[in-house]
Amino acid sequence: GIQVEQSPPDLILQEGANSTLRCNFSDSVNNLQWFHQNPWGQLINLFYIPSGTKQNGRLSATTVATERYSLLYISSSQTTDSGVYFCAVRFGNEKLTFGTGTRLTIIP
Amino acid sequence: ETGVTQTPRHLVMGMTNKKSLKCEQHLGHNAMYWYKQSAKKPLELMFVYSLEERVENNSVPSRFSPECPNSSHLFLHLHTLQPEDSALYLCASSPGQGAGGYTFGSGTRLTVV
Repeated sequence: GIQVEQSPPDLILQEGANSTLRCNFSDSVNNLQWFHQNPWGQLINLFYIPSGTKQNGRLSATTVATERYSLLYISSSQTTDSGVYFCAVRFGNEKLTFGTGTRLTIIP
Repeated sequence: ETGVTQTPRHLVMGMTNKKSLKCEQHLGHNAMYWYKQSAKKPLELMFVYSLEERVENNSVPSRFSPECPNSSHLFLHLHTLQPEDSALYLCASSPGQGAGGYTFGSGTRLTVV
């Protein structure tokens, strides 16, 4: 099956800082999503981005499918950005495979 | 509110109890999923339903029994669980089994005592 690796595993930043989270995957995909899991466990869809670049407020994401990676950018971090960020990928009817996540902690 | 609603949010049950988790989606999606998230482990896919038919069962013990009466509702019936079944159970839906992004519910945090 597809392997999904995320880096870094943990990231601690001061409020206001910018960050880049990376997702590498081992095979072709036609579905890639970034999720944010808040401290209460809720998994929020941030981007559906099998290719290209999207932006939503302070967040943006870029997927380079030919090179099998995706990046999530968070600018001007806020404490509410804390939580675990998951990348998940799928090809065809295969199951959505999740990475192990990046735990982001924003310090006031 | 994400369009996928799960109840209850928290559940504590004894090993001899029978309980059910409920999931409802208001997105018009055709595929629904149950995932399990244990501490320090990746999300594990448990069951997949597409157009109300079960299409995948990832070697889940029979003490977990899913039910999909229609494309908007999904249940997970629980009986004689073990303490190691304590976890966050997440429901998700997608437009089709092989199409579109997934939308997750808020999850049910289950504790088996």
